[in-house]
Amino acid sequence: QQQVKQSPQSLIVQKGGISIINCAYENTAFDYFPWYQQFPGKGPALLIAIRPDVSEKKEGRFTISFNKSAKQFSLHIMDSQPGDSATYFCAASGSTGGGNKLTFGTGTQLKVEL
Amino acid sequence: NAGVTQTPKFQVLKTGQSMTLQCAQDMNHEYMSWYRQDPGMGLRLIHYSVGAGITDQGEVPNGYNVSRSTTEDFPLRLLSAAPSQTSVYFCASSWTGDGYTFGSGTRLTVV
Repeated sequence: QQQVKQSPQSLIVQKGGISIINCAYENTAFDYFPWYQQFPGKGPALLIAIRPDVSEKKEGRFTISFNKSAKQFSLHIMDSQPGDSATYFCAASGSTGGGNKLTFGTGTQLKVEL
Repeated sequence: NAGVTQTPKFQVLKTGQSMTLQCAQDMNHEYMSWYRQDPGMGLRLIHYSVGAGITDQGEVPNGYNVSRSTTEDFPLRLLSAAPSQTSVYFCASSWTGDGYTFGSGTRLTVV
């Protein structure tokens, strides 16, 4: 039973465009929602994270939008660059009851074309 | 400051063999976790620890053992390797239990 559902599985965006990756969760005890970026042959690296007390968080070209009532959150990459080509994972964890266990989505392979 | 160090980087095992994947962190993080990554399935939690002497099971614990005798080390033991355990294994650590730092992974093949 997958607690965090991620879409799309793959995404091709032109350079300068906006990349959007969506995630939905089921467990209302989740209270921390990070996004990880992974390049081939490397471990995932924390990109940006949000807690449900805010609806949006922006760091440079990366923005998380969070909809608590819909139990959905998304990653927006503005002005996408070829160097952004990587696999992106959403995740969720809960500090109460969840024991801070991080549950990941299945990943999105992003390719930014010139 | 090495971060999270995993050894070995690559390993081939025969079915039924046992081995230990090593993980060490030098950031004095209390939280440590082991994940396996398989195509199309994301990262799945095997075992995790919230401090020395404390471990708990994750989503896919069968066939794996862990112990946490020190803050720095969190080894993962495969008891009797099976082809289904062919995967890339990642160790991760965190100070708060939120933002995890991942190692570079161990690619394991069981034949």
